[in-house]
Order: sequence, then structure tokens, then C-alpha cells
Amino acid sequence: AQRVTQPEKLLSVFKGAPVELKCNYSYSGSPELFWYVQYSRQRLQLLLRHISRESIKGFTADLNKGETSFHLKKPFAQEEDSAMYYCALVGGATNKLIFGTGTLLAVQP
Amino acid sequence: GAGVSQSPSNKVTEKGKDVELRCDPISGHTALYWYRQSLGQGLEFLIYFQGNSAPDKSGLPSDRFSAERTGGSVSTLTIQRTQQEDSAVYLCASSLAAGGPYEQFFGPGTRLTVL
Repeated sequence: AQRVTQPEKLLSVFKGAPVELKCNYSYSGSPELFWYVQYSRQRLQLLLRHISRESIKGFTADLNKGETSFHLKKPFAQEEDSAMYYCALVGGATNKLIFGTGTLLAVQP
Repeated sequence: GAGVSQSPSNKVTEKGKDVELRCDPISGHTALYWYRQSLGQGLEFLIYFQGNSAPDKSGLPSDRFSAERTGGSVSTLTIQRTQQEDSAVYLCASSLAAGGPYEQFFGPGTRLTVL
């Protein structure tokens, strides 16, 4: 079965501290993984995807097929990073997204 | 250009009534998706349209839920005989096409409250 697991509902860190939002997946085949972000009172938007291997707003995520993980990392958290983060994978030819339950990141001043 | 728009932004209804939720995708986007965001369930896929046809309806939770798309553009999600468990934020997304690296762009959502 295709599944995305985000074990932390809430992650609270201080400004300047490193951040790691965990994401594990189960998928038969080659997965395509994404991180979406939803800032307060804004719509859900794409943060990054594993095939791009890019860094957005200082965030990176590496696909680890051995551990079936796609953790989101940032070395120094900023207050403006506070948001809800969803890990997702694309399931099947229709490109529908299968989301994890999300992690609320709270960056304290 | 304009992004995905949804209406109404908020809908409060009584149990047993029917509701219609509307989505206007980005112009030229052939793929359209409906998702539901509810407490405890997270974000769930409901239905996918390619043009006017819906090859994947696997996420619709019951036969009270239906959706249509006309002219390859606007889509309407209809919930009949609403129940309290239908209360959620309903999100619409569109992309240039299904498959490939095409990004899904999300609308602001419709918050449905069933009393």
C-alpha cells in the first residue's frame, strides 16, 4: 500500500536551531516525493520535490531509498519558517498526491 | 495570472442538506484534483479529472459525493444529504497535465461546516 508517515504532529525549535522534519514512505516502485507547505492563512504550496534536488528557502530533502525516508532539513530555522509541512508522494499515473498527516513547525524567537 | 479559485470560501449548512462547491482551475490546466483536509485525517485525495472525464474517483468516501467538470474548466463537487463528518476544508488543485513533473497548484479551499 502507498503510505506517507510523518511521526511528529508538532516540532518546536528556537530561531537559529537546526530543523529536521521526518517523513517515511511505503511505495512499490520508484517514488516521486514532495514537500508542501502551508503558511498561516495562505494556500498550500509546493516547497520542493526530490527530482529537482534543489534548495528552497534554505530547506533540502534527500531521498533515501534504503530507509524509505525523505526528511526535510534546514540548518538554521527562521521565525518565518513557522508553518504546516506536508510530505507527499505521487501515486499512480493520475499524479494524485498521497499526503502525510503533516507536521506543524513552530520557530520560537 | 490568476491562480486556482474556489467558491464559496465558507459554507455552513444543516445536516441533511445538499451543498455544491465550485473550483475554477488555472486556464489551460487539463488536470484537476479535489482533496479534503479534515482534523485527524489530514489531506485525502477525492477525485481526479483529465479534461471532462474522471478516470479516478477512488477517494470519494460515499455515493453522496459526486463531481463533474464542464468545458475542461470549472468543476463542481456536490455533497448530498450532508453529515457532520463531512465538515472539512475542501481543496481543489490543477496542473498542466497528469504525470510528468507537473506541479499541482492549490486553491484557497472551501471550509464546510455541517451543523
